[in-house]
Amino acid sequence: EVQLLESGGGLVQPGGSLRLSCAASGFTFSSYAMTWVRQAPGKGLEWVSSISGGGAGTYYPDSVNGRFTISRDNSKNTLYLHMNSLRADDTAVYYCAKYLTGESVNHPFFDCWGQGTLVTVSS
Amino acid sequence: DIVMTQSPDSLAVSLGERATINCKSSQSILYTSDNNNYLAWYQQRPGQPPRLLIYWASTRESGVPDRFSGSGSGTDFTLTISSLQAEDVAVYYCQQYYNPPLTFGPGTKVDIK
Repeated sequence: EVQLLESGGGLVQPGGSLRLSCAASGFTFSSYAMTWVRQAPGKGLEWVSSISGGGAGTYYPDSVNGRFTISRDNSKNTLYLHMNSLRADDTAVYYCAKYLTGESVNHPFFDCWGQGTLVTVSS
Repeated sequence: DIVMTQSPDSLAVSLGERATINCKSSQSILYTSDNNNYLAWYQQRPGQPPRLLIYWASTRESGVPDRFSGSGSGTDFTLTISSLQAEDVAVYYCQQYYNPPLTFGPGTKVDIK
């Protein structure tokens, strides 16, 4: 059974940093691109970042580009999101999710999602 | 960026009746070289992560009941629940993956009447 388990969320002050982790199991982790999607309280879904199966390709929307860094350790079956210069509007539940199609980021739709980890940016 | 809109914002349907959700993209998401519409639908039940229902606008994900169907092309798409069940109470999102950044619609909330 595919499982994704996020951790690392919490309360952080504006301007602070946080690292999220997503532990994967039940599939060949390195064979699949992965993504982070967030959801502000009571709001919709927003794509945050994607990474190819091998880790060479990384992608971000303008809203987080330069502040967030996605990475992965395929030897540990773990996905990461390093978040710097956090702002109040980064407050959200952060989900990691698996690409359905494989290691390429070319067709980004997501068949398995974790339960999410809440990040709260507040003083 | 491609903007996704959905209608209605919410709807209430009687058990066993049909629910129809519309999604519109600000530009065509039909990729002519492969004739695929780069659109997915997700279901998010209360307190749960999203669940993939449909991709390529009309391909049902494995394990999704056949009462869920997707249709449309170009800029206009529809998710239909043919016979609403109690477990279908959720928010439904469309998502385009034609161009980065990936964008989602604002969601449509489905309740029981």
